[in-house]
Amino acid sequence: DIVLTQSPATLSVTPGESVSLSCRASQGISTSIHWYQQKSNESPRLLIKYASQSISGIPSRFSGSGSGTDFTLSINRVESEDFSVYYCQQSYSLPYTFGAGTKLELK
Amino acid sequence: EVQLVESGGGLVQPGRSLKLSCAASGFTFSSFAMAWVRQAPKKGLEWVATITSGGSNTYYPDSVKGRFTISRDNAKSTLYLQMDSLRSEDTATYYCAKARRGTTPFDYWGQGVMVTVSS
Repeated sequence: DIVLTQSPATLSVTPGESVSLSCRASQGISTSIHWYQQKSNESPRLLIKYASQSISGIPSRFSGSGSGTDFTLSINRVESEDFSVYYCQQSYSLPYTFGAGTKLELK
Repeated sequence: EVQLVESGGGLVQPGRSLKLSCAASGFTFSSFAMAWVRQAPKKGLEWVATITSGGSNTYYPDSVKGRFTISRDNAKSTLYLQMDSLRSEDTATYYCAKARRGTTPFDYWGQGVMVTVSS
């Protein structure tokens, strides 16, 4: 199985800061990575597909990059509504796997 | 508006069975693959099962293979998850999710239904 390692586990920031969240795959997966946001007590929401492709309705401050084994979700100027947990998920091979998540919290 | 509404959760004893349902609306259900994803309390997300649009192909991780069965009724726009031989480690919130294209990623999620396996 492909293991996705997300770092850091927790990121403490103040609104207005720009941040980068990392997701590293245990083997090369091309660009078959997707990012989700999960706010407290809510269902996950798809933010980015295939490493860098935007999703309709998602604010432009969210962007993704990377290929192979290293991927990054960037948030340009964090807003208060962005404090939540972010997960990456690979679709390169079955079983589909998720990272353990990065919690973005208010400093 | 896409809506996915799960039902059928609850408390069940180890070794027993439970069947979840997910009623879909707002899109052409028969055109998209569907999946179940679960989340144990205070834990991360775990993919549980996927079924292709026509229902001919199903996929599972080893953790549930042979115990869980995903199925769908395209005439009723409903997705199912039959869970047999339940274990305490199956305790989780189960989400129904729609695949955007192919079998992933998952672009719409239900609100989730809680399944607790305990004696």
